[in-house]
Amino acid sequence: QKEVEQDPGPLSVPEGAIVSLNCTYSNSAFQYFMWYRQYSRKGPELLMYTYSSGNKEDGRFTAQVDKSSKYISLFIRDSQPSDSATYLCAMSVNNAGNMLTFGGGTRLMVKP
Amino acid sequence: NAGVTQTPKFRILKIGQSMTLQCAQDMNHNYMYWYRQDPGMGLKLIYYSVGAGITDKGEVPNGYNVSRSTTEDFPLRLELAAPSQTSVYFCASSYYGIQDTQYFGPGTRLTVL
Repeated sequence: QKEVEQDPGPLSVPEGAIVSLNCTYSNSAFQYFMWYRQYSRKGPELLMYTYSSGNKEDGRFTAQVDKSSKYISLFIRDSQPSDSATYLCAMSVNNAGNMLTFGGGTRLMVKP
Repeated sequence: NAGVTQTPKFRILKIGQSMTLQCAQDMNHNYMYWYRQDPGMGLKLIYYSVGAGITDKGEVPNGYNVSRSTTEDFPLRLELAAPSQTSVYFCASSYYGIQDTQYFGPGTRLTVL
């Protein structure tokens, strides 16, 4: 079993839809949670960073962490074709270490 | 700023050959990282460095070596290339550790035949 699981997709939605992307994990010691967006043939870029449980909002993006269920989510409101990319979740035990554990990524396609 | 640059963009190697993947950053970041990304497997950390002269192993270091003689450069050396090293390699940097934003380079696509 992988330490961090993501549905690979592809997830296809119409423009304007609300998108929900999710990761489950097995290591209860994870405390730092990130979402990266990766366009085709490009390096990942950090979208959201959260610590412990709760919600964090940034424009059309909301990151949600439920540590009791070992489940994190990224919601995208009013999705746009430019949101079409692969979304990777990543997490870490602490911020003093340097080891991020990544999920395999979910490919999202937003159709105009 | 150019950010994080990687060369080459693509490379085909024969089994047993060696090569160095170059990575440079111009943001004066202390931390630098090398990842590999296999299809559907996310990114796995190969090596990282917290400053010039200091390197440490990540999750999958076997078959690779690194050095960090300057703040700007962090080359990754592949010795005796094997088909299992076929992957996309990303270099990244950050000012602090992982609590800081990591900036990724565009990647090097390596095929070992």
